[in-house]
Amino acid sequence: DSGVTQTPKHLITATGQRVTLRCSPRSGDLSVYWYQQSLDQGLQFLIQYYNGEERAKGNILERFSAQQFPDLHSELNLSSLELGDSALYFCASSVTGETYNEQFFGPGTRLTVL
Amino acid sequence: GQNIDQPTEMTATEGAIVQINCTYQTSGFNGLFWYQQHAGEAPTFLSYNVLDGLEEKGRFSSFLSRSKGYSYLLLKELQMKDSASYLCAVTDSNYQLIWGAGTKLIIKP
Repeated sequence: DSGVTQTPKHLITATGQRVTLRCSPRSGDLSVYWYQQSLDQGLQFLIQYYNGEERAKGNILERFSAQQFPDLHSELNLSSLELGDSALYFCASSVTGETYNEQFFGPGTRLTVL
Repeated sequence: GQNIDQPTEMTATEGAIVQINCTYQTSGFNGLFWYQQHAGEAPTFLSYNVLDGLEEKGRFSSFLSRSKGYSYLLLKELQMKDSASYLCAVTDSNYQLIWGAGTKLIIKP
């Protein structure tokens, strides 16, 4: 158990819908990262937050948005869902915003878009 | 562009040794990570190299050559539970973490 929690574990929805994925970082970690992993694909970095502010942006679609709240939990919002958005979404946290810190990954949310 | 290359898949025998290579071309370098990921599970940290040389941690060792843009992960005394994907990730000059596609390691008895 990494100490990072993600909810829900599974999510099944239809095309065109909007969903919200939630992540709570390890106690004391200030930075949260979101990743997308499609079936048998590598990790795609989406976005990073550090202490409530956006720190870095990766290959995140305009239909996707995220935020980090004052209590440091983070939410990833996915809208106008398409079949291709079906994937495992991981959240990771680290102590600081520097990427030389080890990242601790949550168990992931498996999103299925039908 | 930024690029990390790893073999897609490797097969090894239980009890043997396997070396998984990673070559990278990134805008700058500020460290290299290896993570292990079992199918359907979260990645877990294995090692971090920022200086040239070999870092040993039990059955696992990681080597880095910055001048060659090259790293390898060495797994000794392979066990069935080592069947997993191994992800190489490099921190570039902007401290962005660039991930390789991963190497799927299959262990046969």
